[in-house]
Amino acid sequence: EDQVTQSPEALRLQEGESSSLNCSYTVSGLRGLFWYRQDPGKGPEFLFTLYSAGEEKEKERLKATLTKKESFLHITAPKPEDSATYLCAVQAGGYQKVTFGIGTKLQVIP
Amino acid sequence: DTEVTQTPKHLVMGMTNKKSLKCEQHMGHRAMYWYKQKAKKPPELMFVYSYEKLSINESVPSRFSPECPNSSLLNLHLHALQPEDSALYLCASSREGGSNEKLFFGSGTQLSVL
Repeated sequence: EDQVTQSPEALRLQEGESSSLNCSYTVSGLRGLFWYRQDPGKGPEFLFTLYSAGEEKEKERLKATLTKKESFLHITAPKPEDSATYLCAVQAGGYQKVTFGIGTKLQVIP
Repeated sequence: DTEVTQTPKHLVMGMTNKKSLKCEQHMGHRAMYWYKQKAKKPPELMFVYSYEKLSINESVPSRFSPECPNSSLLNLHLHALQPEDSALYLCASSREGGSNEKLFFGSGTQLSVL
């Protein structure tokens, strides 16, 4: 069974204080790893897809990287509007099924 | 238009009620999904429709009945629910339901079962 573990569960940063979120996964035949952002009471919003080890993608203050066992979401100089829950998800084998991790709840303090 | 629209936003129902959740997208996507998310938990897949045919049912109890009338619409019919079914129900769509497709989510229906 596909497993996705995210850490930490919660993270509190001062504005401008860079950090990284971790997503480790155990799957058979990874097809893709996804990062989503979820605001309270809303559906997840797509950020990145990573396909293979060594791949990196960037968007504004966010940078996602992938190894054979884990992915990191690096947040550089975060702002209060970056506060949200960041979900990692994997797609493997049965390609229509995406398995989500529990997420990291990020709070950025002004 | 990159929106997935879900109605209603909030729903309170008793255990003997019958209600329906609705989802609509106009992006030409051919795969649509129902996810259930309880507080502080990840979204869990319930059903997948691909080209209007049910392709995945994740062993969901029969009190949840999905329907896909056409490629733009997805319904979830609810009957005789239990209080533990209270959750945020999320609809999502993707281009064809293939590999590595990003999901577009609606804002969800917050369901409370009394």
